[in-house]
Formats: sequence, structure tokens, C-alpha cells
Amino acid sequence: EAQVTQNPRYLITVTGKKLTVTCSQNMNHEYMSWYRQDPGLGLRQIYYSMNVEVTDKGDVPEGYKVSRKEKRNFPLILESPSPNQTSLYFCASSQGLAGLTDTQYFGPGTRLTVL
Amino acid sequence: AQKVTQAQTEISVVEKEDVTLDCVYETRDTTYYLFWYKQPPSGELVFLIRRNSFDEQNEISGRYSWNFQKSTSSFNFTITASQVVDSAVYFCALGANFGNEKLTFGTGTRLTIIP
Repeated sequence: EAQVTQNPRYLITVTGKKLTVTCSQNMNHEYMSWYRQDPGLGLRQIYYSMNVEVTDKGDVPEGYKVSRKEKRNFPLILESPSPNQTSLYFCASSQGLAGLTDTQYFGPGTRLTVL
Repeated sequence: AQKVTQAQTEISVVEKEDVTLDCVYETRDTTYYLFWYKQPPSGELVFLIRRNSFDEQNEISGRYSWNFQKSTSSFNFTITASQVVDSAVYFCALGANFGNEKLTFGTGTRLTIIP
């Protein structure tokens, strides 16, 4: 089954404790992205990757890191989480054909609470 | 810069009524894509439709229909004969930044279908 998976689905942590949210897709998509969803703000892009070893900042990258060492995986790293990073996080992937904005498929979401 | 406005924050209708969700977008690009996603109470994002800026034909899929009007920069979504299962948050999104497949989301409309 074609899908985007994220782990963990729920996480409660404390300020400053490093954490990683994993994202994996099995569709051989080139493009992957992270969004955060906050009430009244919709979804905003954090980072994206056009291919292996190619990553770039989205609209709200502060406090986050990413890496793309394999095509299928795109982990989101919070080196020192703070309460304002409490949010619902989505990973997305798409084929990312040049010259097109392809349909993005989203993972199930990770609800993060930073105390 | 891209912008998507969903002016209706919350809508409630009685089951079997028709309901239209509004979406207005802004972009300077001549080629762009519009999307609707559904977020049910379980939290995942479900892709509903993708339209490109060159195709203004309205689309119908079962009880769902979409009205794309370039002249008013709108991409409205109508549910006919609504059902309780249609209760969800609906997001309109714009893709117009080629290279970065980023979607610019509206703030969403929470639709409640009253049995």
C-alpha cells in the first residue's frame, strides 16, 4: 500500500530534550516536506527536500533541522524543543515533476507537546 | 507571495442540506495549482482534488463539486446532500512555487453536519 508513515504519532517531551520525528514513504517520491499545523494558521511549511542530499528552508524553519540521506526517509529533528513548537506535524511527499506542482500525500501526523 | 483565504471559519448545516465552502486565492504566477484536502476528526489529511490554472471546467465527483473561477480567483467546494461523515475541517491550498512544491494553505473551514 502506497503510504507516508510518521513516528511517533504522539509525543510529550520537556524543553530542551532533543527529539526526532521520522518520516518514510514507499512511493519512490523525490519531493518530501514537513509542515506544522496550528489553530487558526492552517499548515505552514518547515523544510523541504527535492531529492537526496538536497534540502531547503520553508516558511518557518527556526528551531528545526532535517536530513535526506535516503530517498525514502526525511526525519525532522528538534535539537532543543521549546513550548512554542507544540503543534501537529505532517510529513508529505510527491513525485515532484519539474514544472509541475504534483499532488502531495500526507502522513498521519505527529502530535507533539513540549512542556 | 501566495495567499489563500477561507473566510468561513465554521459552518453547521443539517444533514441532507447542500453546503458551499469558499476559497479565494492570490498569486502572481500564471501557472498554478489548486487543491482541496479534508481533515476528519481522526486528524489525517485526505486529498480531494487538484486543478491547474489552465482548466476552468467545473468538476463533479459524486456529491462533491468544485467551481473554479479565475476571474474572481475563487475555487469553491460544494457538498450536495450532506452527510454526517462529511463533518471535517476542509483546507484549500495553492501550489505555485515551482522547484519547491510547497502548498500554501488556507486556515481551514470546520464543517459540522447535524444529524
